[in-house]
Amino acid sequence: GAGVSQSPSNKVTEKGKDVELRCDPISGHTALYWYRQSLGQGLEFLIYFQGNSAPDKSGLPSDRFSAERTGGSVSTLTIQRTQQEDSAVYLCASSSTGQGGTDTQYFGPGTRLTVL
Amino acid sequence: AQKVTQAQTEISVVEKEDVTLDCVYETRDTTYYLFWYKQPPSGELVFLIRRNSFDEQNEISGRYSWNFQKSTSSFNFTITASQVVDSAVYFCALYSGGGGFKTIFGAGTRLFVKA
Repeated sequence: GAGVSQSPSNKVTEKGKDVELRCDPISGHTALYWYRQSLGQGLEFLIYFQGNSAPDKSGLPSDRFSAERTGGSVSTLTIQRTQQEDSAVYLCASSSTGQGGTDTQYFGPGTRLTVL
Repeated sequence: AQKVTQAQTEISVVEKEDVTLDCVYETRDTTYYLFWYKQPPSGELVFLIRRNSFDEQNEISGRYSWNFQKSTSSFNFTITASQVVDSAVYFCALYSGGGGFKTIFGAGTRLFVKA
């Protein structure tokens, strides 16, 4: 079946502009995660959604970052007033039950964000 | 605090060599889960294995094997008879209740397999 999809695959923006990154999880998966991967670095957790519960936003680096998940499916990560240090690959993952992190996460191809 | 250390930043081997990727983790929880993911040049992370803390049995899947040792807090990954297609970044990850819902990833080990 279809995996996790993300759009756009690449985004180049100017410093100070807002950007929206989209994630379509695997159908039926209740849990959705956003991560950031800076060049040559590991994955940095950003936010976690599980069903209709309040999301765990503890990984968001600043109040310029926000995310929502509509209808328990598609998620949008928004970065306002982008800065050059926001340049990274933003990865989305979903899992079927979201039992904390015990469930296997399936990753999308990522969105490469470049802030000029 | 939860932490995953992959001390090897890059490893380069010649095809058909065996290679072991190290992973050392830290957690105070008695129940936890360990993962390995592969990130090929295409960029998409691929799940390889999940192991819970109560199962120390080593696992073998084809050319891949994993050695889980709680005594040394290690979960090492060995590729036997490496192939060029094994070239990728490999991430070890840890989930435990003490870390909330966050899966902690190591910094990754970049493996180059030369023909």
